[in-house]
Amino acid sequence: RKEVEQDPGPFNVPEGATVAFNCTYSNSASQSFFWYRQDCRKEPKLLMSVYSSGNEDGRFTAQLNRASQYISLLIRDSKLSDSATYLCVVNHNAGKSTFGDGTTLTVKP
Amino acid sequence: NAGVTQTPKFQVLKTGQSMTLQCAQDMNHEYMSWYRQDPGMGLRLIHYSVGAGITDQGEVPNGYNVSRSTTEDFPLRLLSAAPSQTSVYFCASSYSTRESEQFFGPGTRLTVL
Repeated sequence: RKEVEQDPGPFNVPEGATVAFNCTYSNSASQSFFWYRQDCRKEPKLLMSVYSSGNEDGRFTAQLNRASQYISLLIRDSKLSDSATYLCVVNHNAGKSTFGDGTTLTVKP
Repeated sequence: NAGVTQTPKFQVLKTGQSMTLQCAQDMNHEYMSWYRQDPGMGLRLIHYSVGAGITDQGEVPNGYNVSRSTTEDFPLRLLSAAPSQTSVYFCASSYSTRESEQFFGPGTRLTVL
């Protein structure tokens, strides 16, 4: 079993749709959690950190459930520009980061 | 600030050749790391460093060496290239090892024939 697992996707949604991505992690000692966005053949960039209390940034909402070792990302009112691969990332106290394989989102007109 | 820079952007090697991928950052970050990304997959950690003079292995270290003589530079050396090392290589840096955002370089696309 992979240490960080994501929905395999791909997700194809119309503009304006709400879409949710899920991620689970197996290492209970994991310290911090992130969602990164990666455009085709480009480097990953931070979308948002994920906090236990849940956090929102505009149309994006991230949630963390430590008991279930589960992270989610909700995108409301999808835009064409949201088309990308979304990577779930877990940081460990020892300094290592583990990435999920990513979920690809395509938003269509 | 240039952020994280990587050279070269593209490289083709023959099996058995060696080469060094360069990575530099100008943000005075202590933490730097190297990842490889194969098609359809996430990033896998090769080696990382928590400060000058300190390096450690990640998930897939075999066939690669690193050194960290300065805060700014973190080169990755391929000892004897193999076709299985064909991949996109990303270097990243961050302020700390736990809570901080990682900043990535633009990547090096390596093909080993």
